[in-house]
Amino acid sequence: DGGITQSPKYLFRKEGQNVTLSCEQNLNHDAMYWYRQDPGQGLRLIYYSQIVNDFQKGDIAEGYSVSREKKESFPLTVTSAQKNPTAFYLCASSIAGGPSDTQYFGPGTRLTVL
Amino acid sequence: AQSVTQLDSQVPVFEEAPVELRCNYSSSVSVYLFWYVQYPNQGLQLLLKYLSGSTLVKGINGFEAEFNKSQTSFHLRKPSVHISDTAEYFCAVSPQGAQKLVFGQGTRLTINP
Repeated sequence: DGGITQSPKYLFRKEGQNVTLSCEQNLNHDAMYWYRQDPGQGLRLIYYSQIVNDFQKGDIAEGYSVSREKKESFPLTVTSAQKNPTAFYLCASSIAGGPSDTQYFGPGTRLTVL
Repeated sequence: AQSVTQLDSQVPVFEEAPVELRCNYSSSVSVYLFWYVQYPNQGLQLLLKYLSGSTLVKGINGFEAEFNKSQTSFHLRKPSVHISDTAEYFCAVSPQGAQKLVFGQGTRLTINP
């Protein structure tokens, strides 16, 4: 089955630690995205990438970093500079990154900072 | 810049009753419009989208939405809901010429038996 996988489902981190969230897709999509979801705030875009080895900041990129070394993979690192990292993180992909393209979402990773 | 307002944070309805989830947007450019659904502890799934043409759009699971350009609205409707429709619903816009979705805050739909 084609789709997007995110791992782990739940992640716990101590303050001051960096942590990397995994996102893999086998849909052969060019574009990939990372969103952060907080209760009552909808989804906010962290980073997106339309092609391998290229990515752009979204609305809330501070304290996060990404890489896009392979078409199928778009890992997100939450650094110690992110002041309030506890949230639900969603990865998505679309066929070409165009504004009318449907975005397909993974099941999400819930990050809790202890 | 674009913004999306979902006018109700929570909507409780009885099973088999009709429901309308309201969405208004503001944008200085033309946009494409989307509704996504999120079941508990899952990712989002596309319900329907409006790109052009007929302003009444039909989606999955019996949902439909109507684009009203003059009122900048894109309300979601279903004539008869089921327990399985319990979820959070997100309205989103994508500006033509941009590569990002702007989401509303979400509406939690609760179906009571």
